[in-house]
Amino acid sequence: NAGVMQNPRHLVRRRGQEARLRCSPMKGHSHVYWYRQLPEEGLKFMVYLQKENIIDESGMPKERFSAEFPKEGPSILRIQQVVRGDSAAYFCASSPIGTDGYTFGSGTRLTVV
Amino acid sequence: GQNIDQPTEMTATEGAIVQINCTYQTSGFNGLFWYQQHAGEAPTFLSYNVLDGLEEKGRFSSFLSRSKGYSYLLLKELQMKDSASYLCAVRGGGANNLFFGTGTRLTVIP
Repeated sequence: NAGVMQNPRHLVRRRGQEARLRCSPMKGHSHVYWYRQLPEEGLKFMVYLQKENIIDESGMPKERFSAEFPKEGPSILRIQQVVRGDSAAYFCASSPIGTDGYTFGSGTRLTVV
Repeated sequence: GQNIDQPTEMTATEGAIVQINCTYQTSGFNGLFWYQQHAGEAPTFLSYNVLDGLEEKGRFSSFLSRSKGYSYLLLKELQMKDSASYLCAVRGGGANNLFFGTGTRLTVIP
C-alpha cells in the first residue's frame, strides 16, 4: 500500500512562473490537506479538500494560490506568478473518513529564483 | 482560532528521559496529536489523545489535560536517532484539519 505520493520532490521556478504541485493520497483516503513549511518554522495549514470539494481554504493566500482535488487524478496545488517568498516546503497529507491522524507525503521543496 | 505553544529547543542526554510540553487554546477540541519530523523529511505520526490521561506506546508516551489545555510528550531511554523536531497539533471542534505548533527541536547528546 503506497503512502502519500508527492511530486516533484524538488521544483525550481523563476519569479513570475507557475508552480504545480501534485499529491496522490493513500489508497482509500478521501481527504487531502496541504501545508506549507518555511525554514525553521512550523507547518501552516493551507487547504482541506475532499473529492471535487474544497472544505476549508482559510489558510490559503487570497491571490495566486488555488487547489483542487478532482474526481480522477491527484490533488493539485497551483501557485501562479511565483515570488521569492513562496519558496518553502509544501506537504500534502491524507486521511480516510473519521480517522485519528494524517499520513504525510515527503513534500515538494519549491525554490523561486 | 487556535494558539499552540511549545518550547523552541531542548537538549537531553542519550539514555535519559525528556518531557516536551505543549499548551493550546482552541475553539472546540477534537483531539491532540504529536508528530516527529527529522530535518528535510515528512512528519510522522507518534500519538493521539482525545480523552484526559496518559497514552503509552513503547518509549513514547503522551499526556492530555483538556481542562488545562495542556499536553506533554515523554520520551524515555533517549537514542541519538530521537534528535528531531516534535510537533504538537490540535484538531478543533467540527473540523478535520490539524493546526500545528512551531515544533520543538530536540537534540540528543552523547
